[in-house]
Amino acid sequence: DQQVKQNSPSLSVQEGRISILNCDYTNSMFDYFLWYKKYPAEGPTFLISISSIKDKNEDGRFTVFLNKSAKHLSLHIVPSQPGDSAVYFCAASNAGNNRKLIWGLGTSLAVNP
Amino acid sequence: KAGVTQTPRYLIKTRGQQVTLSCSPISGHRSVSWYQQTPGQGLQFLFEYFSETQRNKGNFPGRFSGRQFSNSRSEMNVSTLELGDSALYLCASSLGLRGGSQETQYFGPGTRLLVL
Repeated sequence: DQQVKQNSPSLSVQEGRISILNCDYTNSMFDYFLWYKKYPAEGPTFLISISSIKDKNEDGRFTVFLNKSAKHLSLHIVPSQPGDSAVYFCAASNAGNNRKLIWGLGTSLAVNP
Repeated sequence: KAGVTQTPRYLIKTRGQQVTLSCSPISGHRSVSWYQQTPGQGLQFLFEYFSETQRNKGNFPGRFSGRQFSNSRSEMNVSTLELGDSALYLCASSLGLRGGSQETQYFGPGTRLLVL
């Protein structure tokens, strides 16, 4: 049972345009959400997070939006750069499960020059 | 500050053997979590150690075990290896604050294990 779902296995965008990566979750107890970026042969790198008490968090070119009623979050990258090409993972946790991270399967983003 | 380090980076074993992987967390981090990543299943949580005690556990068989030392370094052991254990094993560290605090985990580069 996939509690965190990233329904798009891949996404391709042009350099300079906006990249929007989506994530849905089923467990309403999740209260902390994170996005990680992963390059081949490397471990995931933390990108940005959001607590359930917020609906938006911004860090430079990266913004995460949380819609609790829809159990949906999205990561916006503006403007997209070729170096952003990587696999992006959405993860969620809650205090009830001792903060164990539950992961989506990832979306592979390709930013074309 | 040095990041999370994992050794070895690559490993080839045969079925039935056992393997030990090592993880050194970021200085000051007391929690170490282990994950298995496979193409079809994504990242699956194995277990978490804090202050030398297993604090959280995923749904893996008892062949997968771990431990943590007083300096927060952690080892993961897999006994009686099976072909399906071939995967990237990732270690992540965090401060390990109590009370369900929201905190970020930082990952090492992983150990790529191939079981033949």
